[in-house]
Amino acid sequence: GNSVTQMEGPVTLSEEAFLTINCTYTATGYPSLFWYVQYPGEGLQLLLKATKADDKGSNKGFEATYRKETTSFHLEKGSVQVSDSAVYFCALSDSSGGGADGLTFGKGTHLIIQP
Amino acid sequence: SAVISQKPSRDICQRGTSLTIQCQVDSQVTMMFWYRQQPGQSLTLIATANQGSEATYESGFVIDKFPISRPNLTFSTLTVSNMSPEDSSIYLCSVGTGLGQPQHFGDGTRLSIL
Repeated sequence: GNSVTQMEGPVTLSEEAFLTINCTYTATGYPSLFWYVQYPGEGLQLLLKATKADDKGSNKGFEATYRKETTSFHLEKGSVQVSDSAVYFCALSDSSGGGADGLTFGKGTHLIIQP
Repeated sequence: SAVISQKPSRDICQRGTSLTIQCQVDSQVTMMFWYRQQPGQSLTLIATANQGSEATYESGFVIDKFPISRPNLTFSTLTVSNMSPEDSSIYLCSVGTGLGQPQHFGDGTRLSIL
């Protein structure tokens, strides 16, 4: 079956620090990979995506590269802000079975940025 | 992207009762899904809501407990039946944008069972 493993938090950083949140996956097929973010009191939002190997997804200063050889999709940002404080979820979609597949999520990483 | 409205946004229910959650989308979509997010946990797929046929349930979820309707391409309901405190969770609907493409989520229904 499919699974997503990501580092669990909370992760606490100072403003302007470099961020990495690790995410690795197992999949039966060739999945698409996503990062979602859940800000306090808000719904789940798509942050970025990558649909094939070596694709780099980027948005709001965040980046993640689809690494098929290491089955990883680590999230990075060069300089975090207090407003980046949120819960981040790594997820995959594997439709290799030919049907409409739901998403498989990691457990989420709670990120806290201190001024 | 599609605008997804869920009702109710939250509710407090007595054990043994049932609650139906509605999900309305502002455009026709092929794929709709229901997820559960237990307190402090990740999201788990409950089922795929299929238009015109029975929902497809994931392992650990059954139709008697979580009946789903999908009467058309813009609307779906999830019922949580015979609720117990263990059903206290956030329930979210999502719409798919294509195979291997992102899903977009409603704001969720926060359900507490006393």
